[in-house]
Amino acid sequence: SAVISQKPSRDICQRGTSLTIQCQVDSQVTMMFWYRQQPGQSLTLIATANQGSEATYESGFVIDKFPISRPNLTFSTLTVSNMSPEDSSIYLCSVDTTDTQYFGPGTRLTVL
Amino acid sequence: DAKTTQPTSMDCAEGRAANLPCNHSTISGNEYVYWYRQIHSQGPQYIIHGLKNNETNEMASLIITEDRKSSTLILPHATLRDTAVYYCIAPTGNTPLVFGKGTRLSVIA
Repeated sequence: SAVISQKPSRDICQRGTSLTIQCQVDSQVTMMFWYRQQPGQSLTLIATANQGSEATYESGFVIDKFPISRPNLTFSTLTVSNMSPEDSSIYLCSVDTTDTQYFGPGTRLTVL
Repeated sequence: DAKTTQPTSMDCAEGRAANLPCNHSTISGNEYVYWYRQIHSQGPQYIIHGLKNNETNEMASLIITEDRKSSTLILPHATLRDTAVYYCIAPTGNTPLVFGKGTRLSVIA
């Protein structure tokens, strides 16, 4: 298993600003993922972040809007840039281990 | 990923077994079936997974039909804390999990 923490747990931000979300894992993992969950919706994959390479983004998500860093095998950040109210969501970090995927507690973002 | 179909919602009386069905008729021979749940405003929690044989752990049992086209997650004695959205997923290889709408289980006192 893997224990995942995220910071901040929640935030309220003004439109036009940016927020960086941190994800820390208690063990080294190769693959990390970032998901978004809009209000009342299921989870949507934003990107896959592997250490030492550029993140791979899913259709509808771009690096300029959601830049990702993966400096080592236990840490990643997701930045939500130039925020608008439509970015209000829960953002979740996830890691792939030998048996399955585990998820962090999420970051609840509200954009005013 | 194999397409999965789940009922939108289900109710279960507290203390009774909750049986959550999932259809995955297009599943291929090497695709596992995974179950996760998401309690309100929390990250998804892994429950159990299986390939062919029935599986049981401290949380639940997973019954997979012989033809692998459907499965059932069983919570043997549902409690109010089991109220959540339950997701059945059949990923292909090492691709990241793709979540559908899941089944909203309400456990009623």
